[in-house]
Parts: sequence; C-alpha cells; structure tokens
Amino acid sequence: DAKTTQPDSMESTEGETVHLPCSHATISGNEYIYWYRQVPLQGPEYVTHGLQQNTTNSMAFLAIASDRKSSTLILPHVSLRDAAVYHCILRAIASSSFSKLVFGQGTSLSVVP
Amino acid sequence: GGIITQTPKFLIGQEGQKLTLKCQQNFNHDTMYWYRQDSGKGLRLIYYSITENDLQKGDLSEGYDASREKKSSFSLTVTSAQKNEMAVFLCASRDRGHSDYTFGSGTRLLVI
Repeated sequence: DAKTTQPDSMESTEGETVHLPCSHATISGNEYIYWYRQVPLQGPEYVTHGLQQNTTNSMAFLAIASDRKSSTLILPHVSLRDAAVYHCILRAIASSSFSKLVFGQGTSLSVVP
Repeated sequence: GGIITQTPKFLIGQEGQKLTLKCQQNFNHDTMYWYRQDSGKGLRLIYYSITENDLQKGDLSEGYDASREKKSSFSLTVTSAQKNEMAVFLCASRDRGHSDYTFGSGTRLLVI
C-alpha cells in the first residue's frame, strides 16, 4: 500500500504558482521523498527528490517539513504543459541496486488558460 | 541520450491467450522493472531484475512470467489473459547508485 496521501485533484491557472501537498506521516528515517509526474499515454517522468533538505531544480522546488511527515512540490508559473498526475512516493535508501517505488493515485493537476 | 522502448504500444488479446510484452533500454542500466497501472490507481510492481538472468517477484507476480536474457531487454508474459482485462504495463530501468528511474511509454492491453 502507498504510504503517502495526496489530494485527488487540483486546478490552477496559467502563470500561477502551484503547491501540491503530500502527507507521509509514517515515513522512516531511511526513506527518500520522490515526485514523478505522468501525462496521458506516457510513463511517469522524474521531477525531483529529497531526503531532509529542501531541493530545487529546473522543474520544481521541493519543500520538506522539518519533521519529514509532509512535503510540498512547488511549481512556479505553471503552463498548460504542466497538467499531469503528480505522484509523491517514498523510496528506501538501499545499498544494492534494487529499489522499489510504491505509487499511489497521485494528484491530477489541471491548468486552465 | 538513451531511450527505453516498449513494444507493442497497444495489444489486444483473447481470453486465455499467452501474451508477451517487450522492453528495451540502451542506457546500460542494471535494474529493470515491470509495473501494472490500472485506471485511477497507482502502479503495482509485477517483476524486477537487478542484472542479466536475474528475476525477482514483485507484489503482483501471479499470472505473469518474466525474462531477462540480456542486460538491455526485459520481457513480460501474461500467462493466461483474463477476459475484460484492461491495464497499462510500464517498464522502467535504473542505474546502480543512480537516484531516478526512467519509464517507457507503456503497453496498453485490452482482453476481449
């Protein structure tokens, strides 16, 4: 079962900054927080990940609560191309190459002009 | 850059039929995965492989077989298709020590 909780859907307007919340109250100390997004007829695409510190890249900013029980993916100035299902996932840090992702339903983000 | 290719993109099968899905990656990644995605649900792991000729069962392996004869390819077989089954099968790969996964575009299965 997925260990994260996300709203089913959110709507935004082009140009806005969107905050996508994720709750992971039972996160373990050895688990990363990953975000993927998926558009219709495509596989999930990596967005970002973090362990404890906030992270930023060209796609998004990931804010992680100090107790790590929640995180927020922040998408600045969204465009129509950002409309997708956003998945928040926990992954255990593994010494071997095997590592399993457990996906939930995700948040379906719609963007209107 | 590399690419991960799944074939076929669409697959229509008949009840009881054995169906094979293929996945090819040229990243030289060690680990490959097969996930199933049902409408409105998250992905569930069927099989994974950490190297050539290695196979490990995931959470949903019953009714499926897998094969990793080469490092670059990972195939999945539905041993007996179930009537009215409709799902997307996603292949992914990941390099040892690298953080993120690369997914293929998926194979959409419909059983009539």
